Amino acid sequence: DIQMTQYPSSLSASVGDRVTITCRASQSIDGYLHWYQQKPGKAPNLLIWAASNLEGGVPSRFSGGGSGTDFTLTINSLQPEDFATYYCQHSYNIPPTFGQGTKVEIK
Amino acid sequence: QVQLQESGPGLVKPSATLSLTCSVSYFSITNGFYWTWLRQSPGKGLEWIGSLYYNGYTQNNPSLQSRITLSVDTSKNQFSLNLNSVTAADTAVYYCARARGGASSYYFDFWGRGTLVTVSA
Repeated sequence: DIQMTQYPSSLSASVGDRVTITCRASQSIDGYLHWYQQKPGKAPNLLIWAASNLEGGVPSRFSGGGSGTDFTLTINSLQPEDFATYYCQHSYNIPPTFGQGTKVEIK
Repeated sequence: QVQLQESGPGLVKPSATLSLTCSVSYFSITNGFYWTWLRQSPGKGLEWIGSLYYNGYTQNNPSLQSRITLSVDTSKNQFSLNLNSVTAADTAVYYCARARGGASSYYFDFWGRGTLVTVSA
């Protein structure tokens, strides 16, 4: 299975900050990388698909980049509703696997 | 807007079979896409269980392959998961979801709310 590792595991930030989360795959996955946001007690919500494509209805302050093994999720001007846990997931092959999550907390 | 809702017992005894159903609303499961089960536990994080197409084609996680049965009921617009020989390690929140990307390249755009299944005597 392809291992997905996220950095950092958690971070503290303030409203208005720019935040970047990194996801690294254990082998090249081309652009088959997706990002989700999850709030407590809720299901994950798709934010970015295929590394850099913003899902419909997701605010434009979210952006994604990268290819191969290294990917980033950036949140420009962090808003109160963005405090959550973020997961990356590859879809390069079977089984698709997820990172362990990055919890974004209020400073 | 596609809606998915999981249903099934919240408590299952060890060695028994876990059975869940996902009811899909406002979208026909015969209109393409793959229909998926995932689970989330503190120990294992988010884990893909398996996906199926309305014609019965399935792909399962190799780590669970021998214990999983996925099925679909197009007349009810539902799909189901059976996981047999459960242990405490199968305790998790189980989600059903719609998958995009095509076979072997799944990502998940609509999710159910999730249902907690606890394996305990």
